[in-house]
Amino acid sequence: SAVISQKPSRDICQRGTSLTIQCQVDSQVTMMFWYRQQPGQSLTLIATANQGSEATYESGFVIDKFPISRPNLTFSTLTVSNMSPEDSSIYLCSVGRATNYGYTFGSGTRLTVV
Amino acid sequence: QKEVEQDPGPLSVPEGAIVSLNCTYSNSAFQYFMWYRQYSRKGPELLMYTYSSGNKEDGRFTAQVDKSSKYISLFIRDSQPSDSATYLCAILASGGSNYKLTFGKGTLLTVNP
Repeated sequence: SAVISQKPSRDICQRGTSLTIQCQVDSQVTMMFWYRQQPGQSLTLIATANQGSEATYESGFVIDKFPISRPNLTFSTLTVSNMSPEDSSIYLCSVGRATNYGYTFGSGTRLTVV
Repeated sequence: QKEVEQDPGPLSVPEGAIVSLNCTYSNSAFQYFMWYRQYSRKGPELLMYTYSSGNKEDGRFTAQVDKSSKYISLFIRDSQPSDSATYLCAILASGGSNYKLTFGKGTLLTVNP
């Protein structure tokens, strides 16, 4: 399975600022996803990062708040913009191939907004 | 009704016990069924995934799917303290461009020495 490096592993940010999270994969993958994991809640899909085109966002998530880039088949970034304390959460990158639905997850970014 | 329901526990068992973890789902289009294990402060790690109804075994772990009841289970035999983690069921509908996983909330398991 693919090996994912996700950075930063944690951060404490001031409200109103932005944080960019990076996801680097050791091999080319078809699909890349960004999730949010809040305490006591299911992992929630934010968006699918599409290589060379705009990301596909899930209901409740918008590009202005969570801009995503995916310049190639091994790298993606998620930016959390204009942060508020409600954005405090764990953000996870996940990858998969169309031939194997056993998706792999990064170790996550633990974000605290103060 | 949520698409995937999972009892969050917590579940505490003695070492050596058989553990049963369960999820129910509502969407009959779901076709792929996964179990992930997540240790504290780590990302989810895929344990097993299966496509069809029936059982799939991997060492001490057995995944069971009953599509007629929309019910999936993970059994852990001879549980160990190292099995202490949150277990997440995840389900995927196939077809078209829909490759999104839907997760349960996770069950926190503690195996006591």
